[in-house]
Amino acid sequence: AQRVTQPEKLLSVFKGAPVELKCNYSYSGSPELFWYVQYSRQRLQLLLRHISRESIKGFTADLNKGETSFHLKKPFAQEEDSAMYYCALTSNSGYALNFGKGTSLLVTP
Amino acid sequence: NAGVTQTPKFQVLKTGQSMTLQCAQDMNHNSMYWYRQDPGMGLRLIYYSASEGTTDKGEVPNGYNVSRLNKREFSLRLESAAPSQTSVYFCASKPQERKGVGEAFFGQGTRLTVV
Repeated sequence: AQRVTQPEKLLSVFKGAPVELKCNYSYSGSPELFWYVQYSRQRLQLLLRHISRESIKGFTADLNKGETSFHLKKPFAQEEDSAMYYCALTSNSGYALNFGKGTSLLVTP
Repeated sequence: NAGVTQTPKFQVLKTGQSMTLQCAQDMNHNSMYWYRQDPGMGLRLIYYSASEGTTDKGEVPNGYNVSRLNKREFSLRLESAAPSQTSVYFCASKPQERKGVGEAFFGQGTRLTVV
């Protein structure tokens, strides 16, 4: 079974500080991993996906197959980054999309 | 661009009542999903439909049924609502890209309270 674990329910950092949101997964095959974000009163939306190797809003995430991790990082957090962040995984079949429990990021001035 | 539209936005049910949550997408996506979002539990997959005519159970299917009416519409039915089904329900759709890397688009959610 595929599973996504986000160990931190809440992460609070000061503006300008580095931030890392942890995500670990368990899956026997080669998963596709994503980070989704939900800003206050907005719909859940894609932030980035590992296959694209992109940086969105200063965030990056590297897939580490050895550690089965896909941590989300940003060197300098901004107040507008405060949101709920979800790590998600889809199987090789590309159908079921499973989410972690989410981490609430609070960036304070 | 409507994207993914869910109806209703809010609903209060009495225990034992039934209701259907509607979801429609206008992006010609093959896959559609129903999730519930509960505090501390994140998003849990209830059912999904990989393509028109197929449905599969997710992590928490008990107490729910689904219908993929056509490519656009995917409904979620509660036959006999229970207080444990009080939650925010999200519908999502996703294109059928190589190895499932397509972006999922979400509806605005339905806040359901069962009393």
